[in-house]
Amino acid sequence: GAVVSQHPSWVICKSGTSVKIECRSLDFQATTMFWYRQFPKQSLMLMATSNEGSKATYEQGVEKDKFLINHASLTLSTLTVTSAHPEDSSFYICSALSPGTAHRYGYTFGSGTRLTVV
Amino acid sequence: SQKIEQNSEALNIQEGKTATLTCNYTNYSPAYLQWYRQDPGRGPVFLLLIRENEKEKRKERLKVTFDTTLKQSLFHITASQPADSATYLCALPMDSNYQLIWGAGTKLIIKP
Repeated sequence: GAVVSQHPSWVICKSGTSVKIECRSLDFQATTMFWYRQFPKQSLMLMATSNEGSKATYEQGVEKDKFLINHASLTLSTLTVTSAHPEDSSFYICSALSPGTAHRYGYTFGSGTRLTVV
Repeated sequence: SQKIEQNSEALNIQEGKTATLTCNYTNYSPAYLQWYRQDPGRGPVFLLLIRENEKEKRKERLKVTFDTTLKQSLFHITASQPADSATYLCALPMDSNYQLIWGAGTKLIIKP
C-alpha cells in the first residue's frame, strides 16, 4: 500500500522562528498533496492543496505568506510556518494522492507533526 | 455548503458487541464516501470507500452502508475489540480537485 512519511513528528520552537515540515510519498508519485491542520477534538481543516510544479491553492483564511508550501517533486512537499506564534500551535498533517489509486487506498496520510510554539 | 455531522459524544461499547457509527451529510449526495480511523497523535488511516451506487461494503469485521435518500452512512464494527478503540472519521469529496470534507469524528471506546 501507499506510504507517506512526515517529519518531524513533533517540534517545539520559539515565537518568531520558522519551522519546516516535510511530507514524502515513499512508494508512489503524488501528483497532489494536501496540508491540514487539526485542533483537539475538531475535524481536519484543509489549509492548502498543492500540485507538483505549481503554486499551492490556499483555503480561505489561510495566509499564504505565513504558511509556505513547496511541492517541487512528485514525492516531496514541504510546509514552512514562518514567524510562528503560539496560536499556530496545532497538529499539522499532510496527505498525498495518486489519482487512480484513491478508490483502493483512499487518501494516504502522514503521521502528523505536533507543533508547539512557546 | 456541504456539511458532515458525526456524533461528537464518545461511544462506549462492550467488547464483542457491534459498534455502529453514524455519518450524516446535509447537501448533495457525493459520488463516494470514505471512512478513516485516527489514533491519538497520528494521521488518519483509510478504512473503506463506498460509492453512491453501492448499498453496502464489507472488509473483514467492518461494514459500511450508504443511503443517499437518508443522506447517511453507517459504519459497523462487529465482534469489537479494545484495539478498535479510536476516533473514526467520515469524509466525502468536495466538487473539485480531489479535496475532501471531513466530519469531526466519533470517538469509539471498546471496554473489555
